[in-house]
Amino acid sequence: QQQVKQSPQSLIVQKGGISIINCAYENTAFDYFPWYQQFPGKGPALLIAIRPDVSEKKEGRFTISFNKSAKQFSLHIMDSQPGDSATYFCAASSTGTASKLTFGTGTRLQVTL
Amino acid sequence: NAGVTQTPKFRILKIGQSMTLQCTQDMNHNYMYWYRQDPGMGLKLIYYSVGAGITDKGEVPNGYNVSRSTTEDFPLRLELAAPSQTSVYFCASSPGLGGRSYNEQFFGPGTRLTVL
Repeated sequence: QQQVKQSPQSLIVQKGGISIINCAYENTAFDYFPWYQQFPGKGPALLIAIRPDVSEKKEGRFTISFNKSAKQFSLHIMDSQPGDSATYFCAASSTGTASKLTFGTGTRLQVTL
Repeated sequence: NAGVTQTPKFRILKIGQSMTLQCTQDMNHNYMYWYRQDPGMGLKLIYYSVGAGITDKGEVPNGYNVSRSTTEDFPLRLELAAPSQTSVYFCASSPGLGGRSYNEQFFGPGTRLTVL
């Protein structure tokens, strides 16, 4: 059972544009929602994370929007740059479960010049 | 701090062979994890540990074994390798204690395994 659904599978955005990646979850016990960035040949690295007590979190050009009632959250990358080209994974975990993460299937982002 | 280190980086196995993937972290983290990553499938949890001597199965444990004799090391053992175990394997660690950052997982660079 896939508990975190991620879309789109791939995304092409022009430099300076906005990249938007969406995730939906089923388990209402989830209370931590991180986004990981992965470059080819590297391990995933935490980009930004949110907890359900806020509806939005912004760090630089990266913003998470969170909709608890719809059980959805999204990553927005403003002013997308070629260096942002990577695969992005959403994930979720719940307190008391050893911080185990359930990952989405990933979105491959390509930012063109 | 080296963070999370994994060896080897690449390995080719024949069907039926065994091997151990090594993982070490120097951040004194309590929690450690093994994931496998297949194209288009995201990362799947194989095994995890909340401390030395304590391990538990994740989503896809069949064909693997783990041990955690120290806080730093969390090796993953493949017995009787099968083509279905061809994948990229990532080890991760997390502080695992109270505080706002306790959930964050730090990943190693991965081991690319091919079983022929």
